[in-house]
Amino acid sequence: DTGVSQDPRHKITKRGQNVTFRCDPISEHNRLYWYRQTLGQGPEFLTYFQNEAQLEKSRLLSDRFSAERPKGSFSTLEIQRTEQGDSAMYLCASSPSRTEAFFGQGTRLTVV
Amino acid sequence: GQQVMQIPQYQHVQEGEDFTTYCNSSTTLSNIQWYKQRPGGHPVFLIQLVKSGEVKKQKRLTFQFGEAKKNSSLHITATQTTDVGTYFCAGQSSGTYKYIFGTGTRLKVLA
Repeated sequence: DTGVSQDPRHKITKRGQNVTFRCDPISEHNRLYWYRQTLGQGPEFLTYFQNEAQLEKSRLLSDRFSAERPKGSFSTLEIQRTEQGDSAMYLCASSPSRTEAFFGQGTRLTVV
Repeated sequence: GQQVMQIPQYQHVQEGEDFTTYCNSSTTLSNIQWYKQRPGGHPVFLIQLVKSGEVKKQKRLTFQFGEAKKNSSLHITATQTTDVGTYFCAGQSSGTYKYIFGTGTRLKVLA
């Protein structure tokens, strides 16, 4: 399968714990986005990478969120000290240029 | 901050009827994209519009970008049950990489 892959698909964690999600973009896509989506809402932008450089980050994102793309290939999103309000679907998308983005299936996070 | 609104929020149509969703941005956009998300699925790219007044067609789907590049619409002719899902617009402004997604329009098609 050559689509965007996200792992895990589901994560249940206790409040206060740290979680990390992984995204493997389509090979050779140099652009990578992270979004968060809650039920009934559109995806909310979190951050953007071009190769390994994090070029944009949402001002709404607290410092508990951090993302990396160390070699310009896969990316990780870490949430520290999770809160119930962090419960959402976390979506990764990759793009070869300033055109279409291909979304992964997402990681559904539930904080209990 | 930039906001992107869509109307209507929900639309139920009989199979064969037409459907239109409208997208309005609070700021001028450099380009706009449209996505479809099926229930339980992830957004799937439909199209990107870049030019003022641009109109693009994909079979039964017609996309328009307003002259002022602040609004857009998606029109589906003769809906089918396979058109069911939520349609999102996503706008990008100059000087930024992020796309701001609209609130979405959920379409239900009754057979």
